[in-house]
Amino acid sequence: GAGVSQSPRYKVAKRGQDVALRCDPISGHVSLFWYQQALGQGPEFLTYFQNEAQLDKSGLPSDRFFAERPEGSVSTLKIQRTQQEDSAVYLCASSLAGHNTGELFFGEGSRLTVL
Amino acid sequence: AQTVTQSQPEMSVQEAETVTLSCTYDTSESDYYLFWYKQPPSRQMILVIRQEAYKQQNATENRFSVNFQKAAKSFSLKISDSQLGDAAMYFCAYPGNAGNMLTFGGGTRLMVKP
Repeated sequence: GAGVSQSPRYKVAKRGQDVALRCDPISGHVSLFWYQQALGQGPEFLTYFQNEAQLDKSGLPSDRFFAERPEGSVSTLKIQRTQQEDSAVYLCASSLAGHNTGELFFGEGSRLTVL
Repeated sequence: AQTVTQSQPEMSVQEAETVTLSCTYDTSESDYYLFWYKQPPSRQMILVIRQEAYKQQNATENRFSVNFQKAAKSFSLKISDSQLGDAAMYFCAYPGNAGNMLTFGGGTRLMVKP
């Protein structure tokens, strides 16, 4: 597709349920990032992939969070045993190469609400 | 740790007027990039403007320009001839020393009055 696609756009989960959020980056983009954005705040870094390699996962808040990008394209962010504090918008972004000079292209995000 | 600070949670501007959004950051690096991103209500963030720290000249993109003060670690965004479509959240961002992820400020909500 022309842009970064994320699904689902909205997800409501009961506390304790597992959820999976999908990101389809722009074709050919090497780098992929996940961010968590709480209401009214700036995005917070979660994890970074270069192709299929997860090079940085320092932002994942707990071992309940897991991300993968097995074929270097589509990525999935999985949250196990969801808690209310996990409620946020999860943003995916991709870039053609390493990002520190280049533009990140963002998806519209997946809004997770944990009841 | 790298920090990016936006001290104005909300700003308001009259249509066609000029507004400046402030950003300060902390770094020990000498060569880096800085970014302003816009997030309209649909939530998709888009790049507004980028500044290379080693360049003396301030970046300009049409109605958007920056005032980059490297010694003061200040990176403000000026929007000239404000339009209704400029209403959004604006985030200042810095890549950080590791270069692998952007650190965002807390954002400034810009309202444009007709």
